[in-house]
Amino acid sequence: GAGVSQSPSNKVTEKGKDVELRCDPISGHTALYWYRQSLGQGLEFLIYFQGNSAPDKSGLPSDRFSAERTGGSVSTLTIQRTQQEDSAVYLCASSRQSTGELFFGEGSRLTVL
Amino acid sequence: GEDVEQSLFLSVREGDSSVINCTYTDSSSTYLYWYKQEPGAGLQLLTYIFSNMDMKQDQRLTVLLNKKDKHLSLRIADTQTGDSAIYFCAETADNTGGFKTIFGAGTRLFVKA
Repeated sequence: GAGVSQSPSNKVTEKGKDVELRCDPISGHTALYWYRQSLGQGLEFLIYFQGNSAPDKSGLPSDRFSAERTGGSVSTLTIQRTQQEDSAVYLCASSRQSTGELFFGEGSRLTVL
Repeated sequence: GEDVEQSLFLSVREGDSSVINCTYTDSSSTYLYWYKQEPGAGLQLLTYIFSNMDMKQDQRLTVLLNKKDKHLSLRIADTQTGDSAIYFCAETADNTGGFKTIFGAGTRLFVKA
């Protein structure tokens, strides 16, 4: 497609379950970012990928969070043993390295009961 | 580390000018951005400025950059009700071979008719 695609758009899960969120960036974009937006909060940086490697993982809130990117394209953000405070909208964005302009997906809204 | 700060709310009357301010900490920032998030929608790039520029004008939008004070502002002339949204300031710096973009918490602009 023409834009950044994220799935699922909505996910409701029970506390303690694992969830996987997927991001399909714009074709040819080498950089991929994950952010978290909580209700009334700004954008919290989680992790970014340059190709398949993650130069900066400093934003991941805990070791329950992990992310990978394969083939320089699709990325998966995994949250293990979800907690209620993980409830948020998880946004993915991609960019060409040379410009830094980010193109955002619609987000995955996660609700942990 | 990197940090971007902006006020959380701004209210203006239709037809007036809006000025949204932002401060950032990373002196190595190469690009500074303003993104707009309309209700229920994803973020979209509104405008940007290179760090070697002082000002950029784009129709009703004027971006001013004071690099010495690390202060960025966005002025919207003749503000319309359709400008009501959250405006995010962001800085991008070349970081370990890629561009890392950090966002502020967002300024919610209310436009009163």
